[in-house]
Amino acid sequence: GQQLNQSPQSMFIQEGEDVSMNCTSSSIFNTWLWYKQDPGEGPVLLIALYKAGELTSNGRLTAQFGITRKDSFLNISASIPSDVGIYFCAGPRSTSYGKLTFGQGTILTVHP
Amino acid sequence: DTGVSQNPRHKITKRGQNVTFRCDPISEHNRLYWYRQTLGQGPEFLTYFQNEAQLEKSRLLSDRFSAERPKGSFSTLEIQRTEQGDSAMYLCASSRSGQFNYGYTFGSGTRLTVV
Repeated sequence: GQQLNQSPQSMFIQEGEDVSMNCTSSSIFNTWLWYKQDPGEGPVLLIALYKAGELTSNGRLTAQFGITRKDSFLNISASIPSDVGIYFCAGPRSTSYGKLTFGQGTILTVHP
Repeated sequence: DTGVSQNPRHKITKRGQNVTFRCDPISEHNRLYWYRQTLGQGPEFLTYFQNEAQLEKSRLLSDRFSAERPKGSFSTLEIQRTEQGDSAMYLCASSRSGQFNYGYTFGSGTRLTVV
């Protein structure tokens, strides 16, 4: 089935540093989504990508839809303590509209 | 619009007991989804509704699980004869159908602990 693999699994960085994480799949996805989850809360959508090669920004966040349609990248610039959380990539399953497959997440810790 | 509301936020139950969770979606959203999330993993799809119709169920949804959305508004997820492996966060989400937009809104989840 379609699976998403995220790397790294966790990151420990200093405040002010830039962060990069990625998500890969053995299958093609036509949409890539990046979510952030705070402890004890549900995921919140950060960025949605709909077209191969697309580069989209949301404040300090920038995400790219890979040309092969099998990967996506998320960058966070000038990290701040509130960036702490788990970042998930997700994409809709090819066999059913609306159902999402999620990666296992990247845990981000930011030291002040 | 108060977002997606889930109750209870936490539930501790003894193995073998039945539990029921409730989800109130955003009022104008006609699609409602249930996901399960275990520690260290991303959410996994369980089932979804369009209005009151349950359109798809995952293999993860064993016979002990049942979900309803009787009037196309709120939904309930019941787990019968709970097992320790059912311990997880159960997330509900809602969205509008017919839009090229997968960014549905999640609730804060119900954390189930089976002891």
